[in-house]
Amino acid sequence: DAGVTQSPTHLIKTRGQQVTLRCSPKSGHDTVSWYQQALGQGPQFIFQYYEEEERQRGNFPDRFSGHQFPNYSSELNVNALLLGDSALYLCASRVDRIFPNEAFFGQGTRLTVV
Amino acid sequence: AQTVTQSQPEMSVQEAETVTLSCTYDTSENNYYLFWYKQPPSRQMILVIRQEAYKQQNATENRFSVNFQKAAKSFSLKISDSQLGDTAMYFCALTGTASKLTFGTGTRLQVTL
Repeated sequence: DAGVTQSPTHLIKTRGQQVTLRCSPKSGHDTVSWYQQALGQGPQFIFQYYEEEERQRGNFPDRFSGHQFPNYSSELNVNALLLGDSALYLCASRVDRIFPNEAFFGQGTRLTVV
Repeated sequence: AQTVTQSQPEMSVQEAETVTLSCTYDTSENNYYLFWYKQPPSRQMILVIRQEAYKQQNATENRFSVNFQKAAKSFSLKISDSQLGDTAMYFCALTGTASKLTFGTGTRLQVTL
């Protein structure tokens, strides 16, 4: 079992550009959540996807959007990048029908906006 | 709204000694769960221990145990017989029925020889 995998591991983008980050959940998991972790801070919840729908959303602007595919994998898109979007982006997966089962995290994508 | 507060930005402990990391939280929910996650330099969040709020008994996992004080909304982590591999960032986290995790700002733990 490969666990949660995220790609790419590192990314450098220019202000104003758009970026797409990808996440494959752990086998058997159907719910994917995305978190933003700024340097020296704890992760902040962005949104959660289940059954290809955004089920919950944290306090992030509409520039942040996502998608979940039928195979449960997910993408995080960020438009009009700002310097403040530089952070580690973490993906976590779990099984929805079991609460509060453990959320498994990927190793994250380090995004640097210059 | 849920909040998690970790007031110790950094801690240091000698190998084989015991260290306690503090965490306080706030939530309006009755059904919630608390976690301690470890984040080593590899960046991957690893679950250390979990506690169901409805359970009075404190959770233990090998060298890791918690002191859960529900009335005080306190959830501290005790690491016994500290090992060099315990060096990492430790995050306290809370989840309720919404299932999203709310994290604290973390405590950087350094285990020294």
